[in-house]
Amino acid sequence: DTAVSQTPKYLVTQMGNDKSIKCEQNLGHDTMYWYKQDSKKFLKIMFSYNNKELIINETVPNRFSPKSPDKAHLNLHINSLELGDSAVYFCASSLRSGGARNEQFFGPGTRLTVL
Amino acid sequence: DAKTTQPPSMDCAEGRAANLPCNHSTISGNEYVYWYRQIHSQGPQYIIHGLKNNETNEMASLIITEDRKSSTLILPHATLRDTAVYYCILNDYKLSFGAGTTVTVRA
Repeated sequence: DTAVSQTPKYLVTQMGNDKSIKCEQNLGHDTMYWYKQDSKKFLKIMFSYNNKELIINETVPNRFSPKSPDKAHLNLHINSLELGDSAVYFCASSLRSGGARNEQFFGPGTRLTVL
Repeated sequence: DAKTTQPPSMDCAEGRAANLPCNHSTISGNEYVYWYRQIHSQGPQYIIHGLKNNETNEMASLIITEDRKSSTLILPHATLRDTAVYYCILNDYKLSFGAGTTVTVRA
């Protein structure tokens, strides 16, 4: 009955590889997000989709490409992985993208380690 | 880019109330005050939010000053499981997490 789930939980890979992280929410929310938490523990938003449309795209390298096949899923594909991509990636969802009902529900995170 | 200021850390005795302050002097009229916490290695957890009225739910109370330039999150009876990093965030359409306050609840 997990509200926001992510797979995989851990991902260890070599530099230069391409990898994907998947996120699914069963809350019926319209908006989904990807956040990155680096080794210094700062959480930064990367992307947000509302009803499958990209609404937030922070200064993230082009190697990162989000894809939302439907409202319940938001996947993150990363090309040509670099050492600096090592971090914990969190997916989140909210009922809508702003205003009073914007509380976000986070997944358990995916710990990506690039060797 | 966090627009809030929080103390870096605070200790609290188990069973006592924990009062977590937050300054947000540049808050605009349409920005809500949101509180989240992150327990070690877990995803952030929503606690409470408010616009200008004080709010209470099963987890905490939120007191917002009349000028909206500061707020206080109150955990009424802190337990060891409340040990976490607490984030005060002004949210219009996206969350900008700062460093938060590391709260340690001691037995």
